[in-house]
Amino acid sequence: EVHLVESGGRLVQPGGSLRLSCEASGFTFRQYWMHWVRQVPGKGLVWVSRINENGDITDHADSVKGRFTISRDNAKNTLYLQMDSLRVDDTAIYYCGRDLAGLDSYWGQGTLVTVSS
Amino acid sequence: DIVMTQSPLFLPVTPGEPASISCRSSQSLLHRNGFKFFDWYLQKPGQSPQLLIYLGSNRASGVPDRFSGSESGTDFTLNISRVEPEDVGVYYCMQGLQTPYTFGQGTKLEI
Repeated sequence: EVHLVESGGRLVQPGGSLRLSCEASGFTFRQYWMHWVRQVPGKGLVWVSRINENGDITDHADSVKGRFTISRDNAKNTLYLQMDSLRVDDTAIYYCGRDLAGLDSYWGQGTLVTVSS
Repeated sequence: DIVMTQSPLFLPVTPGEPASISCRSSQSLLHRNGFKFFDWYLQKPGQSPQLLIYLGSNRASGVPDRFSGSESGTDFTLNISRVEPEDVGVYYCMQGLQTPYTFGQGTKLEI
């Protein structure tokens, strides 16, 4: 059974840094593109970043470009999101997702990041 | 960026009755491989989104056959033939043709 378990979300001050992790199991992690999507509680979904199977292609939304970095460790079956220079409007639930836009799409349960002083 | 426009944003329904949600993309979602990179997701209360329909009209594994997707050009429709109580939640359309992937505003289905 496919599992994606996010962790690392917590309260952080504006300007601070945070690294989110997403541990994958139940499938061959190294064979899939992976994504991060965020959602302000009660609001809509916003795509954040994606990374290809071996980690040499990444894309980020303009709103996070230069501040967030997606990466992966295929040996550890883990996806990461390094978040620097955090702003109040980065407050959201962050979901990791497998291969969005296809039949293999699957989302984790999310981790809450709160940016506040 | 490709803009995805959903309607309606709120959909009150009666169990056993049909329901329909529309989504329009601001440009074609047709990939050179011949597929349209368009999905429908359902986010049930307190849960993460789950895939319902992929590539415009293909039902995901385990999705009841009362759900169906259709498309015409840049217009996409999700149909529920007979709404069940467990269908409540927010429905999102999404394009995955190009980054940034973009979602519709969401349609809240309530019984």
